[in-house]
Amino acid sequence: SAVISQKPSRDICQRGTSLTIQCQVDSQVTMMFWYRQQPGQSLTLIATANQGSEATYESGFVIDKFPISRPNLTFSTLTVSNMSPEDSSIYLCSGITSGDTDTQYFGPGTRLTVL
Amino acid sequence: RKEVEQDPGPFNVPEGATVAFNCTYSNSASQSFFWYRQDCRKEPKLLMSVYSSGNEDGRFTAQLNRASQYISLLIRDSKLSDSATYLCVVNKDNAGNMLTFGGGTRLMVKP
Repeated sequence: SAVISQKPSRDICQRGTSLTIQCQVDSQVTMMFWYRQQPGQSLTLIATANQGSEATYESGFVIDKFPISRPNLTFSTLTVSNMSPEDSSIYLCSGITSGDTDTQYFGPGTRLTVL
Repeated sequence: RKEVEQDPGPFNVPEGATVAFNCTYSNSASQSFFWYRQDCRKEPKLLMSVYSSGNEDGRFTAQLNRASQYISLLIRDSKLSDSATYLCVVNKDNAGNMLTFGGGTRLMVKP
């Protein structure tokens, strides 16, 4: 299994600013992902965080808005840039370990409110 | 059409009841299927994988019908602690790792 932590757990930000969310896994994961869960909705995949290279973004998400880093196997960051109230959401990272490829483990999420 | 569709509910059932959730998916190439559980203000956690032959884990039974592109979850003898949102999840492509989540079905078990 994997234990995933995220920082910050929540934040309230002003529009036009940027926030960087950190995701730390307690064991090496083969793949890491970033999701968004808007109020009352299910999860939407933003991107796959690739170690040492550019992330792979899903349709509707772009690097300029959501730059992602993954410098090693256990750490990734997601930045929400030039925020607007529409970015208010919960952002979750997840990972898959090599020993349990059937399970995605999720972090507790970062609850973002943009005023 | 959404890639993964679920009845959002809520399903309000008494303790001890049997309840079933259904889910349909649009990508016929999908290979992996899961049910996740998400408690209020918590992250999703894997409840069970869904295999072609069906699988059972205690009070929970999952079934897959590939021809109809349909997945089900049956919960027997509902407990208060089963109250949560149940997410039907399908892999996005043959890679098996990129998941598409349904909107979730909310279950409320009452005394």
